[in-house]
Amino acid sequence: QQQVKQSPQSLIVQKGGISIINCAYENTAFDYFPWYQQFPGKGPALLIAIRPDVSEKKEGRFTISFNKSAKQFSLHIMDSQPGDSATYFCAASKNSGGSNYKLTFGKGTLLTVNP
Amino acid sequence: DAGITQSPRHKVTETGTPVTLRCHQTENHRYMYWYRQDPGHGLRLIHYSYGVKDTDKGEVSDGYSVSRSKTEDFLLTLESATSSQTSVYFCAISGDTQKGTQYFGPGTRLTVL
Repeated sequence: QQQVKQSPQSLIVQKGGISIINCAYENTAFDYFPWYQQFPGKGPALLIAIRPDVSEKKEGRFTISFNKSAKQFSLHIMDSQPGDSATYFCAASKNSGGSNYKLTFGKGTLLTVNP
Repeated sequence: DAGITQSPRHKVTETGTPVTLRCHQTENHRYMYWYRQDPGHGLRLIHYSYGVKDTDKGEVSDGYSVSRSKTEDFLLTLESATSSQTSVYFCAISGDTQKGTQYFGPGTRLTVL
């Protein structure tokens, strides 16, 4: 049972274009939605995150849009650059007791930005 | 990498041998996690720890055990490695006030022949 569905699996964008990655979740108990960026040979690094009480969060060229009623959230990368080429993972988290939060990840999107 | 190291970074072993991977943190964070990453599966939680000697299973725990005798160290053991455990293993940490934010180590690439 896949609780977080991510699409597309791969994405090719031209430099300067907009990259859009979508995720959908099933469990309404999720209350924290981070996005991770992973370069080859490296561990995932937190990119940006949102909580369900806001519909959008922007940090530089990266924006998360969140639709609570549709149980969907997406990552937009504006003015995409070759250096943005990486694998992106969405995730969803819920409290598992005390201050422990377990993350459920999407399967990832391989983004390639062509120069 | 948020004060997280993993060792070894690469290991090749044979089927049936025991393997132990180590995660070491310098952040004094309470929560530590072990994930495996496989193509087409993303990151899947193996085990996690919510304090010294306090651990619990994740979604893919069969064939793995963990131990945490000190706050800074979290060990993942494959008692008898199988080829299906060939993967990249990541450790992650999280603090009490971070509410879901996890920081990942650099990973260990394990090949079981």
